[in-house]
Amino acid sequence: DGGITQSPKYLFRKEGQNVTLSCEQNLNHDAMYWYRQDPGQGLRLIYYSQIVNDFQKGDIAEGYSVSREKKESFPLTVTSAQKNPTAFYLCASSSRPSSLGELFFGEGSRLTVL
Amino acid sequence: QKEVEQNSGPLSVPEGAIASLNCTYSDRGSQSFFWYRQYSGKSPELIMFIYSNGDKEDGRFTAQLNKASQYVSLLIRDSQPSDSATYLCVTTGGFKTIFGAGTRLFVKA
Repeated sequence: DGGITQSPKYLFRKEGQNVTLSCEQNLNHDAMYWYRQDPGQGLRLIYYSQIVNDFQKGDIAEGYSVSREKKESFPLTVTSAQKNPTAFYLCASSSRPSSLGELFFGEGSRLTVL
Repeated sequence: QKEVEQNSGPLSVPEGAIASLNCTYSDRGSQSFFWYRQYSGKSPELIMFIYSNGDKEDGRFTAQLNKASQYVSLLIRDSQPSDSATYLCVTTGGFKTIFGAGTRLFVKA
């Protein structure tokens, strides 16, 4: 079955630690995205990538980093510079620019800072 | 002013009734409009999209778009308890996608 796999589903981080969230898709989609969701707010775009080896900052990129070395993979690192990282993180992909088509989401990763 | 505004709810309707979810947006350049459903603790899933003014029906769901009023709505007919979720209104224009914070719907059995 085609889809997007995020791992881990739950993650706890101590202050000062970097953590990496995995996102893998087998939908053969060119575009991939990372969103952050906080209670009472809409999804906010962290980073996106339209093609391998290229990615762009979204609205809230500070404290995060990504790589896109393979079409299937778009990992997100939450660095210690991110001051309030506790949130629900969603990875998504699309076959066309998101302005034209559907976003397919992974199941999400919930990060909690201890 | 939020770019995509939705009433946070909860909107409570009895089983079998019509649920009406509303959304306004501020960017007149918005071109495409989507409704996603998100169950608690889960990821969003697309249920409807609409590009042109007017109504678009798909089963129990009808999306309505009025670009002059910058207004999008989603009607759910014959609401079921399984429809209880948060509904996200999403607008896109160019490469910019804007998510509303969502409206929580509760369908009482």
